[in-house]
Amino acid sequence: AQSVTQLDSQVPVFEEAPVELRCNYSSSVSVYLFWYVQYPNQGLQLLLKYLSGSTLVKGINGFEAEFNKSQTSFHLRKPSVHISDTAEYFCAVSETGANNLFFGTGTRLTVIP
Amino acid sequence: NAGVMQNPRHLVRRRGQEARLRCSPMKGHSHVYWYRQLPEEGLKFMVYLQKENIIDESGMPKERFSAEFPKEGPSILRIQQVVRGDSAAYFCASSLGGGTYEQYFGPGTRLTVT
Repeated sequence: AQSVTQLDSQVPVFEEAPVELRCNYSSSVSVYLFWYVQYPNQGLQLLLKYLSGSTLVKGINGFEAEFNKSQTSFHLRKPSVHISDTAEYFCAVSETGANNLFFGTGTRLTVIP
Repeated sequence: NAGVMQNPRHLVRRRGQEARLRCSPMKGHSHVYWYRQLPEEGLKFMVYLQKENIIDESGMPKERFSAEFPKEGPSILRIQQVVRGDSAAYFCASSLGGGTYEQYFGPGTRLTVT
């Protein structure tokens, strides 16, 4: 069975500081990995995804993530955050051949002016 | 190109009533997914449908919940005889295809059962 762990439920960070949101997963088969962002009272928006190829994936809004197969991790990073990055961030996994996404419990990023 | 539409955005029902949640996928998308988000939790998959077919309902509770995606019109998630534990945000997503195709999410319907 697959699972996704986002260890940090809340991450406060000062504006223009770097941030890393952690995501670990477990699965017995190959997976696809995703990061979504959810702004208040809105649906989820895809930030980036890893399907295959280069383990460093660049997404929208200056975010990037690195797939580490040996550590089963897919941490999300941004070198300098803005106030507008304040939101809930969800890591998600899909087993290859599966149709649904399996989500972590989310990390609430708060950017402090 | 309009995104995924969901209505109503907020729905209040008393215990025992029925709730109907509607989802109109993006234009050209024939694959629809329903997810439920309980307070302080991530989204959990409920059901995956293509036009007129349920492909995967492994996340759907066995009783009171049903979903359809007719040839014409929106996808409907129906909850009969709602209970307080059904209070949650219900999100719909659509895609061009299954597998690796990106899922585009709607704004969600927040169901409150009183």
